Amino acid sequence: AQTVTQSQPEMSVQEAETVTLSCTYDTSESDYYLFWYKQPPSRQMILVIRQEAYKQQNATENRFSVNFQKAAKSFSLKISDSQLGDAAMYFCAYRITGANSKLTFGKGITLSVRP
Amino acid sequence: SAVISQKPSRDICQRGTSLTIQCQVDSQVTMMFWYRQQPGQSLTLIATANQGSEATYESGFVIDKFPISRPNLTFSTLTVSNMSPEDSSIYLCSVVGQGRTEAFFGQGTRLTVV
Repeated sequence: AQTVTQSQPEMSVQEAETVTLSCTYDTSESDYYLFWYKQPPSRQMILVIRQEAYKQQNATENRFSVNFQKAAKSFSLKISDSQLGDAAMYFCAYRITGANSKLTFGKGITLSVRP
Repeated sequence: SAVISQKPSRDICQRGTSLTIQCQVDSQVTMMFWYRQQPGQSLTLIATANQGSEATYESGFVIDKFPISRPNLTFSTLTVSNMSPEDSSIYLCSVVGQGRTEAFFGQGTRLTVV
């Protein structure tokens, strides 16, 4: 069975600084997708970034980038120039390819941003 | 991205009653899912809503307690039946669009059972 592990329950970062959120996963599949979702207090789940396992290049979306290490089954999220609006719960998620596959989520990490 | 309307956004219900949550998408989607989330915790998949057939339930969830309908490719409902305080939670609808890899979520329904 696939599992997603986020071992840090909480992190804090100073505004304008950089923070990295860790995620590891376990799978026997070779083709899959990885995601980071953000959930602010409004509880709306927002897609931050996605990575296809077959792509070696790390995904980037503005201030958000990932460090995808397929062999190590690691998928960390780096947030640069942190803003107060980045404060939220962040979930790492995994999904195998295929039309009917479901998402598997990690436990999440609560990120606070200090002004 | 798909625009998802989930209703109601919140409700307070008496134990023993039932609540039906609706999820409407502005475009046809391949997959629709229902999740439960306790405050401050991760999401737990309840079931996959299948168009035109019975939903596929995850371990620990049964159709009698959480009946699900999906009459077409843009709409689904989740009913929480015979509610108890333990059912107090956030319920989220999620969809995967045709030809897409990522899932999108509704705004969630915060349910409190008293």
